[in-house]
Amino acid sequence: DAGVIQSPRHEVTEMGQEVTLRCKPISGHNSLFWYRQTMMRGLELLIYFNNNVPIDDSGMPEDRFSAKMPNASFSTLKIQPSEPRDSAVYFCASALKETQYFGPGTRLLVL
Amino acid sequence: GQQLNQSPQSMFIQEGEDVSMNCTSSSIFNTWLWYKQDPGEGPVLLIALYKAGELTSNGRLTAQFGTTRKDSFLNISASIPSDVGIYFCAGPNDYKLSFGAGTTVTVRA
Repeated sequence: DAGVIQSPRHEVTEMGQEVTLRCKPISGHNSLFWYRQTMMRGLELLIYFNNNVPIDDSGMPEDRFSAKMPNASFSTLKIQPSEPRDSAVYFCASALKETQYFGPGTRLLVL
Repeated sequence: GQQLNQSPQSMFIQEGEDVSMNCTSSSIFNTWLWYKQDPGEGPVLLIALYKAGELTSNGRLTAQFGTTRKDSFLNISASIPSDVGIYFCAGPNDYKLSFGAGTTVTVRA
């Protein structure tokens, strides 16, 4: 079975550039989550979608961050403009019930 | 979400030894999850527990859902080098997962 797919796996960009992270959830899962992981703060929930609808975006740091889920098989997390403090590993996870399955993550470095 | 108390924070073990770690919470959970994260990868689900008192095995891994529903334990038997990584416990509260801080396991060959 294909798990959660994320792309790119690594992204290096310069401050001020737009960054788009992509996620394909596990087929049949109706919940999708975006997380950010740093050494200092651990795993933080950024946004939660249920049936393609954003339910909780209280974890989105600021207006520079936006997420969309145009259909059940695709979601994007966009950072515009990016800043060095956005450097982290970003994970997408999907779930059918309460058990979440994580993707391999996108390691983002903003110079 | 609320923080789960996971211990130990880190451990160095000899290959072949058994490993134990636990997770406690001040609140009740109806599900306990154990994940392992390898360097450069995402957390991978190891074991899911859905019933108080449940004892579940997955190969050399055994996890238990505490009867109070406020704790869970993970044991690894006969550790091998590929057991290196960070182990996280997690408990869902509706859609939000609360995570432990992780137990970093390093195996000495």
